[in-house]
Amino acid sequence: DGGITQSPKYLFRKEGQNVTLSCEQNLNHDAMYWYRQDPGQGLRLIYYSQIVNDFQKGDIAEGYSVSREKKESFPLTVTSAQKNPTAFYLCASSNVGSSGNTIYFGEGSWLTVV
Amino acid sequence: EDQVTQSPEALRLQEGESSSLNCSYTVSGLRGLFWYRQDPGKGPEFLFTLYSAGEEKEKERLKATLTKKESFLHITAPKPEDSATYLCAVQVVTGGGNKLTFGTGTQLKVEL
Repeated sequence: DGGITQSPKYLFRKEGQNVTLSCEQNLNHDAMYWYRQDPGQGLRLIYYSQIVNDFQKGDIAEGYSVSREKKESFPLTVTSAQKNPTAFYLCASSNVGSSGNTIYFGEGSWLTVV
Repeated sequence: EDQVTQSPEALRLQEGESSSLNCSYTVSGLRGLFWYRQDPGKGPEFLFTLYSAGEEKEKERLKATLTKKESFLHITAPKPEDSATYLCAVQVVTGGGNKLTFGTGTQLKVEL
């Protein structure tokens, strides 16, 4: 089935540890995104990439890093510099063009600091 | 700065009781307005895209409309399975590709 796969669904991080969230899509989309969702707040953009080997910071990029070595994959690393990483993380993808392109989401990953 | 405001924050309806959710926006240039449905612990599910004022789209019991300043999601004769959080997001013309700016959502509960 076509879609966006995020893993793991649940992840626990110790203080000072880096963790990586995986995101794979088989929709042949050029653009991929990472959003963070906290209770009572809208989804906030962390990083996005419109083409392989290129990515841009979103609104809350501090403490996060990404790579885009393949069109299908856009992993997110939550570094120890991210002081409040406990949240629900959503990966998304879309086509790229001049008209509005629908962004489709994965099922999300829960990250908890222990 | 682009802003999206949704109201109400929460809405409780009886089954069959129609109502509307509001999404007001302030953006520099609207490329599209999106509605998503999100169930607890899951990713948002795409519902509609609206591109210009006056446009309307329907899907089952849901109808989305758009003006120059706001969008409404009308729910006609809702059922318990319509219970979810409904998210509104805008996509703007300026640089930044297709990224979306989201509102905080309306949490809908439909009771028997």
